Amino acid sequence: LMTQSPATLSVSPGKRATLYCRASHSVSPNLAWYQQKPGQAPRLLIHGASTRATGIPARFTAGGSGTDFTLTISSLQPEDFAVYYCQQYNNWPHTFGQGTKVEI
Amino acid sequence: DVQLVQSGAEVKRPGESLKISCEGSGYNLTTHWIGWVRQMPGKGLEWMGIIYPGDSDTRYNPSFQGQVTISADTSMSTAYLQWSSLKASDTAIYYCARYITYYRYYYFHYIDVWGGGTTVTVSS
Repeated sequence: LMTQSPATLSVSPGKRATLYCRASHSVSPNLAWYQQKPGQAPRLLIHGASTRATGIPARFTAGGSGTDFTLTISSLQPEDFAVYYCQQYNNWPHTFGQGTKVEI
Repeated sequence: DVQLVQSGAEVKRPGESLKISCEGSGYNLTTHWIGWVRQMPGKGLEWMGIIYPGDSDTRYNPSFQGQVTISADTSMSTAYLQWSSLKASDTAIYYCARYITYYRYYYFHYIDVWGGGTTVTVSS
């Protein structure tokens, strides 16, 4: 079971946002983060708990180990307002968190 | 460029069968796992299952086992998701996704590319 918090995060543009993801048992380092904008497919941001995917800006950083993980967006840009999902791929079935909506 | 192109939206009646598709381009389908993710209206992502087209090895989420069938045709570079008898609760967007595999004591797989989604509506 993957639990994300908070469910909704209200942040002003230019400010920092930190999202949390907790697993019910250790999944390290097999944790990914995805971004989904309205009407679009998800997009890979982070894999291996902390490795940015190709083309992902450096303002997205992630870390954590064991059961607790974070995704930080250092200075929110207008295009960053979206829903973010974590997913563990350490065990079958791969499971997603319920998502965190980052809103203005 | 790696792309996954999914079939178009479907409107079906309860009890009907359906097979939706996901065609991969820009890479060899036989060398990457490919899977399906459900997103019900206004809800989050649910992992349904995954197939390795090279040998048809398939893993299902127990929540979807027996409800859907995942398959692939390497000659068509296409993966499929099918239902034999749809329910209203199958109404959702279905995404296919390509996986990257890496080895660290075991093999692990994460999604790197997503298809655009297929909207399935089941209504009487």
